[in-house]
Amino acid sequence: SAVISQKPSRDICQRGTSLTIQCQVDSQVTMMFWYRQQPGQSLTLIATANQGSEATYESGFVIDKFPISRPNLTFSTLTVSNMSPEDSSIYLCSVYPSGAPYEQYFGPGTRLTVT
Amino acid sequence: KQEVTQIPAALSVPEGENLVLNCSFTDSAIYNLQWFRQDPGKGLTSLLLIQSSQREQTSGRLNASLDKSSGRSTLYIAASQPGDSATYLCAPGGGADGLTFGKGTHLIIQP
Repeated sequence: SAVISQKPSRDICQRGTSLTIQCQVDSQVTMMFWYRQQPGQSLTLIATANQGSEATYESGFVIDKFPISRPNLTFSTLTVSNMSPEDSSIYLCSVYPSGAPYEQYFGPGTRLTVT
Repeated sequence: KQEVTQIPAALSVPEGENLVLNCSFTDSAIYNLQWFRQDPGKGLTSLLLIQSSQREQTSGRLNASLDKSSGRSTLYIAASQPGDSATYLCAPGGGADGLTFGKGTHLIIQP
């Protein structure tokens, strides 16, 4: 398993500003994932972040809006840029702590409200 | 593109009942399938992982089955308790990829 922490746990932000969310894992992992959960909806994958390479974004998500950093094997950040109320969501990071069978573990999430 | 449907969307039952939560997915070329629990305002807790070569997995009062060819999985909860109240999410996975989630089953167990 893996222990994952996220900062901040929640924030209220003004539209037009940016917020950087941090994800810290207690072990080295190759791949980290970022998801968004909009109110009343299920989780949607934003991007996959591998250490040492550019993040891979899913359809509908772009780097200018959601830049991701992955400076080492235990840490990643997701920035939500130029926020609007539609960005109000829970943002979660997840990892595979080892290879097969690729069981995925999630952080506690960051609840973002944009006013 | 994988699409995941979970039925029912919501369920409220008195404690002690045995429950079945259903999950169907459109792309049967999966590597594994995970069931998660999400409590209000919280992250996800992994309950069970079934590899594509397996038919079922059990953990305590939980049993998950997988019929990969028909694109179906079920989560069976025995002798439900109020502490089981949560949203249950099904997520088929392609291996070392991100997961695709259903909208979940919101479960309330009445004391």
